[in-house]
Amino acid sequence: EVQLVESGGGLVQPGGSLRLSCAASGFTFSSYEMNWVRQAPGKGLEWVSYISSSGSTIYYADSVKGRFTISRDNAKNSLYLQMNSLRAEDTAVYYCASVTTNPDYWGQGTLVTVSS
Amino acid sequence: DIQMTQSPSSLSASVGDRVTITCRASQGIRNDLGWYQQKPGKAPKRLIYAASSLQSGVPSRFSGSGSGTEFTLTISSLQPEDFATYYCLQHNSYPLITFGQGTRLEIK
Repeated sequence: EVQLVESGGGLVQPGGSLRLSCAASGFTFSSYEMNWVRQAPGKGLEWVSYISSSGSTIYYADSVKGRFTISRDNAKNSLYLQMNSLRAEDTAVYYCASVTTNPDYWGQGTLVTVSS
Repeated sequence: DIQMTQSPSSLSASVGDRVTITCRASQGIRNDLGWYQQKPGKAPKRLIYAASSLQSGVPSRFSGSGSGTEFTLTISSLQPEDFATYYCLQHNSYPLITFGQGTRLEIK
């Protein structure tokens, strides 16, 4: 069974940092391009970041560029999102997902709340 | 950047109704579009890929059409489990993908 399990969310103060993890199982993670997608409370879906299967190619949405860092460890079947200089507008559920593969794989999401 | 304009933003309908949701792209995206269903507290679930191909396991009452800049998702006969929020997603500019704003489908 394919599983993507996010962890690391929580409450953090503005300006703080948080590291999200996504543990993959049930498929050949090292062959898959991966993404982080977020959803603010009551709002729509927003793509955040992309990483190629090898980790050599990375993209970010303008809204997080310079503050967030995506990475992966294929030996550990894991995807990461290091989030620094967090703002209130970063409050959201963060999903790791393959998105455009067929079939596509999504985690259940982890909630990040940025508030003082 | 490719923008996706989805309409309507909300829709009230009854069980058995036929419903259509539209997405327009700011530039041509061929058929690089998917449709997703999301229920509260759950991850999005893809219904349609490549604009008109039905994802395995998805009921045939869901269909997609379009190419270029205009796309539609049609539910031929609404069932109680179909009341949810629907999103389009363009991946023509992958990995710089863009979602539509969403359509909340509510029970009339």
